[in-house]
Parts: sequence; structure tokens; C-alpha cells
Amino acid sequence: NAGVTQTPKFQVLKTGQSMTLQCAQDMNHEYMSWYRQDPGMGLRLIHYSVGAGITDQGEVPNGYNVSRSTTEDFPLRLLSAAPSQTSVYFCASSYSRTGTINGGYTFGSGTRLTVV
Amino acid sequence: QKEVEQDPGPLSVPEGAIVSLNCTYSNSAFQYFMWYRQYSRKGPELLMYTYSSGNKEDGRFTAQVDKSSKYISLFIRDSQPSDSATYLCAMEETGANNLFFGTGTRLTVIP
Repeated sequence: NAGVTQTPKFQVLKTGQSMTLQCAQDMNHEYMSWYRQDPGMGLRLIHYSVGAGITDQGEVPNGYNVSRSTTEDFPLRLLSAAPSQTSVYFCASSYSRTGTINGGYTFGSGTRLTVV
Repeated sequence: QKEVEQDPGPLSVPEGAIVSLNCTYSNSAFQYFMWYRQYSRKGPELLMYTYSSGNKEDGRFTAQVDKSSKYISLFIRDSQPSDSATYLCAMEETGANNLFFGTGTRLTVIP
């Protein structure tokens, strides 16, 4: 049982480059979300999805796009990378949007992104 | 002002000590209160949650919520070196789509 798988684990980008962070889950969870974790800021929600074909913005969506074509996959796209996007990115999935049912959110191991 | 405030620590205690971790919050609509544990280079994992006010105990861990003071706590009894991690509090409103996380407290339990 893989849970939530994120790739790549590490990435260095140059300013202005674009890339896609991959996230896949095998638990048939409807709810998926992307967070970024920065020192002194905690985890902040970027985008989320309550099911295939449905996405919405979170607290810090600017500079990021998402899509949800299948239940399993929820990729995060950086359109034009900026140094301010240097962070650790976590994908999470859960049975429901309420983060307390059936074990709460399951997080991936994260992608460490540096933009130079 | 942040929605959720948490002392970042770091906190260092000897093995067997009782640990108290705390968060305060400003949004009175928060109803669900969670504690996540995050080991180094890993994603957070749910440790405990409570709904509204009160206490909840799970083994060596006790979560307390005082909604009148907008204050939540996690107590760890008989702390072990394996408890060394960063502990994140998180909260959400009923029906909301977002968890609000604290910044995390880094705990080290010294053998």
C-alpha cells in the first residue's frame, strides 16, 4: 500500500522555468490538496480538489495551476518559477474534506524545490 | 495576526519527562482540533483529533481543547526518544475545505 506518492523528491529550477510536481494516491480518496511548508509560516493550502474534475483555490494559489482528471492523480504546475516559490511542497489526500475522518489527511513525503 | 499561533521551540527534554505542547487561535468558528507529528524529511501524520472542547486520551498522549480561551494542548507522558519530531497543531471549521496549521514545535527527547 503506497499511500501518497510524490515525485520528484528534490528539484532545482531556474527563475522563469516551469515544471509539474506529481502526486498520486492509491486509497481511492476523493479529497486531495497541495500545501507548501515554509519556516515560520507553517503549512499553507495552495489548491485542493473534492473529486475528479473539481478543483478550487486555497490560501496561496498565485503562480500555481492544478487539474484533477482522475481520482488518483493531482499534479501541481508551476507556471513561471520564482525564488519566492522555494519551499517544501506536500500533497495530501483524505476520505473527506474534513481532516478527521478515517485517519485524517495522508501526506506524501514532500518535494523540496529550490528556485535560483 | 495568524489564525493559529504555536511556539516553534525547539524543546528538549530528558527521556521519561512529561511534555506540554500548546497552540492558540483567533477564529472562534474552529470546531475540529488536530495534532500532527512530522518526522524529519517526512510528511505530517495525524496523531490525534478532538471535536469542540474537552479532553481525549490515547495511550501516552492527551489532547485538551479550551474553546473559551482559544487554547489547545497536547501532553506526552513518559516521553521516548522515538517521540522526537515536530508537532503541528491544525484546526478547521465545520464544512470548510482548509486546515489551518500552526508552525510546529520541534521536540527532542534525550535518552
